[in-house]
Amino acid sequence: DSGVTQTPKHLITATGQRVTLRCSPRSGDLSVYWYQQSLDQGLQFLIHYYNGEERAKGNILERFSAQQFPDLHSELNLSSLELGDSALYFCASSEPANTGELFFGEGSRLTVL
Amino acid sequence: GQNIDQPTEMTATEGAIVQINCTYQTSGFNGLFWYQQHAGEAPTFLSYNVLDGLEEKGRFSSFLSRSKGYSYLLLKELQMKDSASYLCAVRGGYSTLTFGKGTMLLVSP
Repeated sequence: DSGVTQTPKHLITATGQRVTLRCSPRSGDLSVYWYQQSLDQGLQFLIHYYNGEERAKGNILERFSAQQFPDLHSELNLSSLELGDSALYFCASSEPANTGELFFGEGSRLTVL
Repeated sequence: GQNIDQPTEMTATEGAIVQINCTYQTSGFNGLFWYQQHAGEAPTFLSYNVLDGLEEKGRFSSFLSRSKGYSYLLLKELQMKDSASYLCAVRGGYSTLTFGKGTMLLVSP
């Protein structure tokens, strides 16, 4: 158990819909990262928040948005869903000393039908 | 940008030694990581190299050559449970990790 909590674990929805994925980092970790993993692309970095502020953006679509709240939990919002958005979405956190090691949650598996 | 290459698949026999290579081209370098990921599960941290040389951790060792943009993960005394995907990841100028597509290792009896 990494200490990072993600909900929901599984989500099935239809094209055009909107979903919200939630992540609680390890106690004391200020950074939250979101990654998307599909079969052909591997782990793709989406976005990084540190203590409530956006720090870096990767290949995140405009239909996707994220935020980190004062209690440090984070939400990833995916809208106008397409079939290609079906993937595992991982959240990870890292410690303040920032050795760079990421601790991953168990992921949210999104299926868009 | 970052470019990370590693073999797609490898096979090995229980009890043997296997070496998984990773080459990278990055703008900025602040460390190289290896993660293990079993199918459908979260990646888990294996090793970290920031200076050239070998880091040993039990059955697993990782090597880094920054001048060559090259790393390898060495797994000794392979066990069936080592069948998994092994992800090479590079930390560039900031704290973000960029991952390779992973090497699927299949260990057979």
